Amino acid sequence: EAEVAQSPRYKITEKSQAVAFWCDPISGHATLYWYRQILGQGPELLVQFQDESVVDDSQLPKDRFSAERLKGVDSTLKIQPAELGDSAMYLCASSLGGRKVDGYTFGSGTRLTVV
Amino acid sequence: KNEVEQSPQNLTAQEGEFITINCSYSVGISALHWLQQHPGGGIVSLFMLSSGKKKHGRLIATINIQEKHSSLHITASHPRDSAVYICAVRGGATNKLIFGTGTLLAVQP
Repeated sequence: EAEVAQSPRYKITEKSQAVAFWCDPISGHATLYWYRQILGQGPELLVQFQDESVVDDSQLPKDRFSAERLKGVDSTLKIQPAELGDSAMYLCASSLGGRKVDGYTFGSGTRLTVV
Repeated sequence: KNEVEQSPQNLTAQEGEFITINCSYSVGISALHWLQQHPGGGIVSLFMLSSGKKKHGRLIATINIQEKHSSLHITASHPRDSAVYICAVRGGATNKLIFGTGTLLAVQP
């Protein structure tokens, strides 16, 4: 069964350092989402891509977070510099997108701990 | 008031029991998702519904569009069903997911 691949699975970093997460969506899925989930809370959308274009990044803290999907396939989410409050699970999801309402597929996530 | 409300917030059941988790929403939607998340784990999509009822193994999901309500049922519950179950709806121009607060289910042997 096709999966959304994310790496690394776990990351521990010191505050003020840079950290990056990678996501490879299901082949053919045009829409890619990055979510942040703080422990005990629901996921929060950080950024949504349609192919290589950003559709929604209204909740992305742009002073320290950046996301790219250069070829419209895999994507990287970067935090620089990391802060203690960034400790969370970072989830990637993908869907076919467009007019068709299809299912989301989530990756296993990257658990970030900032110390 | 959240746009997506789930009940109960916490649920403890004995193995074998029939379980129901409810979801009510207040916005117009194109689809509703039921998701499962084990502690410390990623999210697994269980169902996507836009009408009617779907069944997968011991899981059944129903939706009533007029009443803006959905239920997730687990028959013959098992300790491995212990997880957080999240209702999420897709609405708005970007089809963004709006998440419920989740229901923490613990099934005891």
